[in-house]
Amino acid sequence: EVQLVESGGGLVQPGGSLRLSCAASGFTFSNYAMNWVRQAPGKGLEWVAAISGSGGSTHYADPVKGRFTISRDNSKNTLFLQMNTLRAEDTAVYYCAKDSDYGDHSVDYWGQGTLVTVSS
Amino acid sequence: SYELTQPPSVSVSPGQTARITCSGDALPKQYAYWYQQKPGQAPVLVIYKDSERPSGIFERFSGSSSGTTVTLTISGVQAEDEADYYCQSADRSGSYPVVFGGGTKLTVL
Repeated sequence: EVQLVESGGGLVQPGGSLRLSCAASGFTFSNYAMNWVRQAPGKGLEWVAAISGSGGSTHYADPVKGRFTISRDNSKNTLFLQMNTLRAEDTAVYYCAKDSDYGDHSVDYWGQGTLVTVSS
Repeated sequence: SYELTQPPSVSVSPGQTARITCSGDALPKQYAYWYQQKPGQAPVLVIYKDSERPSGIFERFSGSSSGTTVTLTISGVQAEDEADYYCQSADRSGSYPVVFGGGTKLTVL
């Protein structure tokens, strides 16, 4: 059974940093690209970043470029999101999401999400 | 940047058919995917590649594509289908960024 378990969310002041983690199990982690997708309170889904299975290729949404860094440790089946210079508009539930086999960066498994609140 | 446009809300009575549309310029060339999200839960993929249904998804969920619009159809809507629905696709290049539509709230009256 595929499981994705996020951790690391919490309350942080504007300008601060936070590192999210996602522990994966139930599939061959290194074979799949992984994503972070966020959802602000009462809003829709917003893709944040993606990383290839090897970790050699990364992609970011424009609002987070230069501030967020996605990485992975395939030896520990863990995905990370380092978030720096956080802003109020980064407040959201952050989901770890696994690329599906269907293509087009679609997602077949999601974690339960971890809440990040940026506020003074 | 590329955008996918969905109606904010759709309402139907139980047993009726609900149709949720998603429009985007690249949809004639790129597949669309549909996700269902119930309150407090993570999204679930219900349709892939415009019209295919993952295993475990009820047959009442179907998808279609015509030009720049894709449609998620839920036949014989049940109360449990009340949720937010999001389409997802890619731009003409098929690469990143991943794009989601704004979401449609399906209300079962």
